[in-house]
Amino acid sequence: NAGVTQTPKFQVLKTGQSMTLQCAQDMNHEYMSWYRQDPGMGLRLIHYSVGAGITDQGEVPNGYNVSRSTTEDFPLRLLSAAPSQTSVYFCASSYIGRPGTGELFFGEGSRLTVL
Amino acid sequence: KNQVEQSPQSLIILEGKNCTLQCNYTVSPFSNLRWYKQDTGRGPVSLTIMTFSENTKSNGRYTATLDADTKQSSLHITASQLSDSASYICVVSAEGSWGKFQFGAGTQVVVTP
Repeated sequence: NAGVTQTPKFQVLKTGQSMTLQCAQDMNHEYMSWYRQDPGMGLRLIHYSVGAGITDQGEVPNGYNVSRSTTEDFPLRLLSAAPSQTSVYFCASSYIGRPGTGELFFGEGSRLTVL
Repeated sequence: KNQVEQSPQSLIILEGKNCTLQCNYTVSPFSNLRWYKQDTGRGPVSLTIMTFSENTKSNGRYTATLDADTKQSSLHITASQLSDSASYICVVSAEGSWGKFQFGAGTQVVVTP
């Protein structure tokens, strides 16, 4: 059981380049989400989805796009990378189930540096 | 302002000793509170989840408490081991806002031999 798989683990971009962080889960979870983790701060929600075809913005959505065409995959697109997007990105998924108490499973993270 | 504040920011403890981490939150209306362990370079892993009606929950040597009246939670680590060295993150979600979790900045715990 792979759980939540993120690729790539490391990426270096130049300002203005675009890229996609991939996230896949094999647990048939309805909920998937993307967070960024910066030093000294809690994880901040970028975008999330409660099912295929349904996405919504989180706390820090600017500069990022998402789509959810299948239950398994939830890619995060950086349209025009900026140094402020240098961060560690985590994908997480969960059953929605009994309201609010589904366990959140995280991927191993993708470390992005924008020069 | 962050709605979830954790203290201390970091602590160092000797192997075999106990320690307690604190989490204060202002998230309202409260739905549930979670504690996660994050090893360096890894994703967070769930330790406990508590709803309004639960005031204690254990997971091995980890015991979490919740006082929903004072909006405080603690995570107690008993007989610490070197493998407990990690960041411990408190996460709170509000009723009606499922999917929008509020994360604390974490407490970095270092266990020394």
